Amino acid sequence: KQEVTQIPAALSVPEGENLVLNCSFTDSAIYNLQWFRQDPGKGLTSLLLIQSSQREQTSGRLNASLDKSSGRSTLYIAASQPGDSATYLCAVRANAGKSTFGDGTTLTVKP
Amino acid sequence: EAGVAQSPRYKIIEKRQSVAFWCNPISGHATLYWYQQILGQGPKLLIQFQNNGVVDDSQLPKDRFSAERLKGVDSTLKIQPAKLEDSAVYLCASSLTHISQETQYFGPGTRLLVL
Repeated sequence: KQEVTQIPAALSVPEGENLVLNCSFTDSAIYNLQWFRQDPGKGLTSLLLIQSSQREQTSGRLNASLDKSSGRSTLYIAASQPGDSATYLCAVRANAGKSTFGDGTTLTVKP
Repeated sequence: EAGVAQSPRYKIIEKRQSVAFWCNPISGHATLYWYQQILGQGPKLLIQFQNNGVVDDSQLPKDRFSAERLKGVDSTLKIQPAKLEDSAVYLCASSLTHISQETQYFGPGTRLLVL
């Protein structure tokens, strides 16, 4: 059974800092890994999708990496802004489309 | 394009009552998912449809939860009777197909409180 862990559970940083969020998974037989953002009271917004054959994906100030063999992914946020404050979730997708989510990291960026 | 629509947004009921949630996926999306998200946790898949057929319902508590997707478009999720531990956000998502490379698009969720 796939298990996904996100550390830390919460993170508070001053504006402008670069930061890294971590995601680890127990079963490396995955099809892809996706990072989502969730704002309070809202649904999930997809940030980056990394296929199992890829090592990283970039979008603006976000960079996600994937090391399938070690069961790890990181989400790097450059030059953080208060608007980045949200909960960040990673989801690992196995066969037949089933996704397993971590419990998220709640990020607070202080002005 | 319009996103995934869900209603109602909020629902408060007493235990042992029944409740139903509705989801309208993105037009043309064949795959539809229902997730349960308990406060402080990540979403947990309850059921996955491919068109109007069930692909995975292994984590659906079938003694009280049911879901259908008639005509392969809209879907309803029902809880009967509700328990206190059913208090959660129920998220609907859709993707173009069930192929694992596809991105899932989420609706805003229905927040359920069972008293």
